[in-house]
Amino acid sequence: AQSVTQLDSQVPVFEEAPVELRCNYSSSVSVYLFWYVQYPNQGLQLLLKYLSGSTLVKGINGFEAEFNKSQTSFHLRKPSVHISDTAEYFCAVSQPVNNDMRFGAGTRLTVKP
Amino acid sequence: EAEVAQSPRYKITEKSQAVAFWCDPISGHATLYWYRQILGQGPELLVQFQDESVVDDSQLPKDRFSAERLKGVDSTLKIQPAELGDSAMYLCASSSTSAVYEQYFGPGTRLTVT
Repeated sequence: AQSVTQLDSQVPVFEEAPVELRCNYSSSVSVYLFWYVQYPNQGLQLLLKYLSGSTLVKGINGFEAEFNKSQTSFHLRKPSVHISDTAEYFCAVSQPVNNDMRFGAGTRLTVKP
Repeated sequence: EAEVAQSPRYKITEKSQAVAFWCDPISGHATLYWYRQILGQGPELLVQFQDESVVDDSQLPKDRFSAERLKGVDSTLKIQPAELGDSAMYLCASSSTSAVYEQYFGPGTRLTVT
């Protein structure tokens, strides 16, 4: 089965600085990749997804991610963060054949003024 | 914009009591999921429905957990009896047949077992 590793449990960053949240996956077959954001005591909101095609994917709130098949990575980036980006971010992988979605443990992004 | 509805948002119960959570997916979404999210971890699938049928319940602790989606629309997840280790966020998600890979999540139910 597929699995996801989020390499950083916490990422503190100052407002207007760039940020990268790292995600590596493991799978023996082709996969779909996702990034979700979760604000305190709320459900998950889809930021962006990679299904096929261009390896650079743009999502909501100015986030983007790049699929790197050779490195089995799907890192999330934003060139300039805001206080409101403070949240938990989850990387997820699923197999198209059975829609079995697995989540990483999450990365807590804290944006400081 | 259509949303997944869940209730209650918060639930506190004593161990050994029964508890139930309700989920109403986005209208027309055939696939419904229940996840459990322990604090500090990612969600883990408990059960997946396709219409009224269970597709995957391999991670559902069947000695105490049950789930149903009788008419293929809304769903109920029950725990009886609740244990201290069941304290978690219970998330419901749904997806459409045309885009089954894209799951939309509800706000969750935060369960605290005392």
